[in-house]
Amino acid sequence: DGGITQSPKYLFRKEGQNVTLSCEQNLNHDAMYWYRQDPGQGLRLIYYSQIVNDFQKGDIAEGYSVSREKKESFPLTVTSAQKNPTAFYLCASINRDTEAFFGQGTRLTVV
Amino acid sequence: KNQVEQSPQSLIILEGKNCTLQCNYTVSPFSNLRWYKQDTGRGPVSLTIMTFSENTKSNGRYTATLDADTKQSSLHITASQLSDSASYICVVSEYDYKLSFGAGTTVTVRA
Repeated sequence: DGGITQSPKYLFRKEGQNVTLSCEQNLNHDAMYWYRQDPGQGLRLIYYSQIVNDFQKGDIAEGYSVSREKKESFPLTVTSAQKNPTAFYLCASINRDTEAFFGQGTRLTVV
Repeated sequence: KNQVEQSPQSLIILEGKNCTLQCNYTVSPFSNLRWYKQDTGRGPVSLTIMTFSENTKSNGRYTATLDADTKQSSLHITASQLSDSASYICVVSEYDYKLSFGAGTTVTVRA
């Protein structure tokens, strides 16, 4: 069963703590993306990677970091430098027809 | 900056009625336009795709139209059902895997 999996579904972060969101896909897609979704706003691009060992900053990369050591995996770390991290995070992989396949999302809350 | 604007922001309709959502974009160059459906707390799922040369595309009770000259698209929902309650997001693709997202229209179907 091909797809894209995000974990965890819910995540709580304390002030000053780094947390890592997992994103795994078995669709054999080269391109993977991380988006942030806030109420009433469109998805905003955090980071994207079009090939293993390479990634690019999106529109709101400050306070986030990523790695792409394997084609299947694109984890996102929310660092303590991100001042307003509470949001819904979506990971996507994109095929050659530019169709995006999304994970189920991770809701991050600062406590 | 490329933009995708959707209207209305939200709407409420009675079960069995029809509705139409609008999407205006300024993205250029243009590869294709997709409409996604996003249920609350889930990742978006693709409903329809249209390329530059296509004017209309249907997927069951969903019909999308595209006017590439005026850079406008619409999504028409026929005979709405309670399960149509969701956010509908217009996404425009450029040729290098770049996606531009609208803020979405939240549709609520009431019995």
